Amino acid sequence: GAVVSQHPSRVICKSGTSVKIECRSLDFQATTMFWYRQFPKQSLMLMATSNEGSKATYEQGVEKDKFLINHASLTLSTLTVTSAHPEDSSFYICSARGVGTGGNSPLHFGNGTRLTVT
Amino acid sequence: GIQVEQSPPDLILQEGANSTLRCNFSDSVNNLQWFHQNPWGQLINLFYIPSGTKQNGRLSATTVATERYSLLYISSSQTTDSGVYFCAVVASYDKVIFGPGTSLSVIP
Repeated sequence: GAVVSQHPSRVICKSGTSVKIECRSLDFQATTMFWYRQFPKQSLMLMATSNEGSKATYEQGVEKDKFLINHASLTLSTLTVTSAHPEDSSFYICSARGVGTGGNSPLHFGNGTRLTVT
Repeated sequence: GIQVEQSPPDLILQEGANSTLRCNFSDSVNNLQWFHQNPWGQLINLFYIPSGTKQNGRLSATTVATERYSLLYISSSQTTDSGVYFCAVVASYDKVIFGPGTSLSVIP
C-alpha cells in the first residue's frame, strides 16, 4: 500500500515553455503533499507544501509564480514549471502523507521527474 | 531551522563488509526516516524510526531521540547497496528536512 505515482518520469522541453508534473496517491488520500527538487549530487530541497483545497506554502527563495502548485483533490497535486529555463533542469520529487496522519507517520515518495530544459 | 548532518559523506566498501552511517540532528523531531536513493533516482523507504531499533534483513537502524542521532547499519554489503543514503526528519510545521546524504559504493 501507500503508493505515490509521479508522471512523467522524464521530460525534455524547450526554453520558455511550461511543463506540468503530476503526483497521485494511488491507494490512499493525501491532504498534504510535498514537492522537492534535487540537483546532481545534492540532497533533496523542499520547494513547497501543498495542501488540498488551499494555497501552497513555498519555501524561502522558491518563486511561487514560476512553480505553480495545485492540489485540487485528495489524490492529486500538480507542479507546473512555467517559462522554463535551462537552470530549472533538475530532478523533481513529490511525497505524500495520508489523511488523518500528522507528522508522526512516514512519507511516501513518487519516483521523481527528471526535467531537462534545452 | 533544524540542521541535519550525515557522516561519512562518502564511503567505499568491499563486498561483504559492514558499515555504520550516522545522522545527527540539532533539535527534537517528530519522526525520522532513512531512505536509499538508487542510481535511477528512486527513493526507497528503508525505515521509519522516530526512536528505538528496527531490523530488516541485512539492515538495521537505531534512533536515540534524546541524544539527537540515528544510525543505519548495513551488514554483509552487496553491490546493489550502492547509492545514496539519506536520513530525513520531521521538525516543526510538519516539514521534512533531508540530510546531505552518504554516498556508498560497494565494490566486488
